[in-house]
Amino acid sequence: EAGVTQFPSHSVIEKGQTVTLRCDPISGHDNLYWYRRVMGKEIKFLLHFVKESKQDESGMPNNRFLAERTGGTYSTLKVQPAELEDSGVYFCASSRQGGTNEKLFFGSGTQLSVL
Amino acid sequence: QQQVKQSPQSLIVQKGGISIINCAYENTAFDYFPWYQQFPGKGPALLIAIRPDVSEKKEGRFTISFNKSAKQFSLHIMDSQPGDSATYFCAASIEGGYQKVTFGTGTKLQVIP
Repeated sequence: EAGVTQFPSHSVIEKGQTVTLRCDPISGHDNLYWYRRVMGKEIKFLLHFVKESKQDESGMPNNRFLAERTGGTYSTLKVQPAELEDSGVYFCASSRQGGTNEKLFFGSGTQLSVL
Repeated sequence: QQQVKQSPQSLIVQKGGISIINCAYENTAFDYFPWYQQFPGKGPALLIAIRPDVSEKKEGRFTISFNKSAKQFSLHIMDSQPGDSATYFCAASIEGGYQKVTFGTGTKLQVIP
């Protein structure tokens, strides 16, 4: 079974540019999450999709971040325009069901560096 | 405000020794406490988890101790091996909802031969 796939693994952009991160969850996983770890700090929740619907986007830092999950399959996270403080590792995770009885599977992350 | 505090930030243990990582939480609504293990270049992976109705859970060399009254929990790695070298995150969430996990800041463990 393929795991959660994230692309790209690394991205280096300049301040003001746009970057789009992609996440392919495990097939059949309706729940998809985005998390972010900034500079050795804690991993923070960004948002949660159930299929194509946003269930909770309370962790999104500001309106420069836009997440989509068209068709309930893969998801994209766009940062536009990127700022220096957006640098960090962006993780995607998925689970079949939503509750804590379901194991949460993480991708390897996208390391974003904004210069 | 950090809801789950984790210490130490880094830890060096000799092979065969015991690794201990401590966490404390603030939100008494938390009722599910997983630990994640992350190797370089990989994402976090669930290692072991506990619910507050038990004080201890053991899986192989890994044990979680939980103190509900103190709002603290810890991970003990017995007979630590070089292959255990990784970053460990304690975490907490509220059961019955979804996987909105609150993580600690992580502990980088190095087990030296």
